[in-house]
Amino acid sequence: QKEVEQNSGPLSVPEGAIASLNCTYSDRGSQSFFWYRQYSGKSPELIMSIYSNGDKEDGRFTAQLNKASQYVSLLIRDSQPSDSATYLCAVEGAGSYQLTFGKGTKLSVIP
Amino acid sequence: DVKVTQSSRYLVKRTGEKVFLECVQDMDHENMFWYRQDPGLGLRLIYFSYDVKMKEKGDIPEGYSVSREKKERFSLILESASTNQTSMYLCASSLSEGVNTEAFFGQGTRLTVV
Repeated sequence: QKEVEQNSGPLSVPEGAIASLNCTYSDRGSQSFFWYRQYSGKSPELIMSIYSNGDKEDGRFTAQLNKASQYVSLLIRDSQPSDSATYLCAVEGAGSYQLTFGKGTKLSVIP
Repeated sequence: DVKVTQSSRYLVKRTGEKVFLECVQDMDHENMFWYRQDPGLGLRLIYFSYDVKMKEKGDIPEGYSVSREKKERFSLILESASTNQTSMYLCASSLSEGVNTEAFFGQGTRLTVV
């Protein structure tokens, strides 16, 4: 059974701080990794994808991948109240089209 | 922009009814998925399809079936709705190959079975 683990939170950070979200996965052959943001009552929205070891930056968001440690993270710089949401980590297994999702980390950015 | 459209935002059905949830995508994606999302349980895969008329069971297929007669449309069928199928249902689509294989979601259908 492929597993994706996230700290459920809630994670509270003050406005302007860096929020750090973490995810570990069990399938060592996984190739593709995604972060989705989900506002309450809405569907998940893709915010970052990462496919190779290292960092990938997009605006205030940075995804970090370490395949040896089976670890992927998302950093949100200059956090805003509008970033308050649940963040889902998703992993695509080797040779599979399926995504396995973590249960999500709820982030609250306090003004 | 990728657009994945689910036929209903909210549905209320009675126990025992046959329920159809429809999903259409406009980006010529090969893969389509049906998930349900419940508090504390996260997103769970019900069925997916990687081509027309092809389907694969996900983690929780019991009580559900699917149909994919056209590439852009993927239907989820609850053969005889039960109260434990009250949930948020999410459809998604993705490419099979290429650089970007991320999944895009529809707006979700909140189904209540009474």
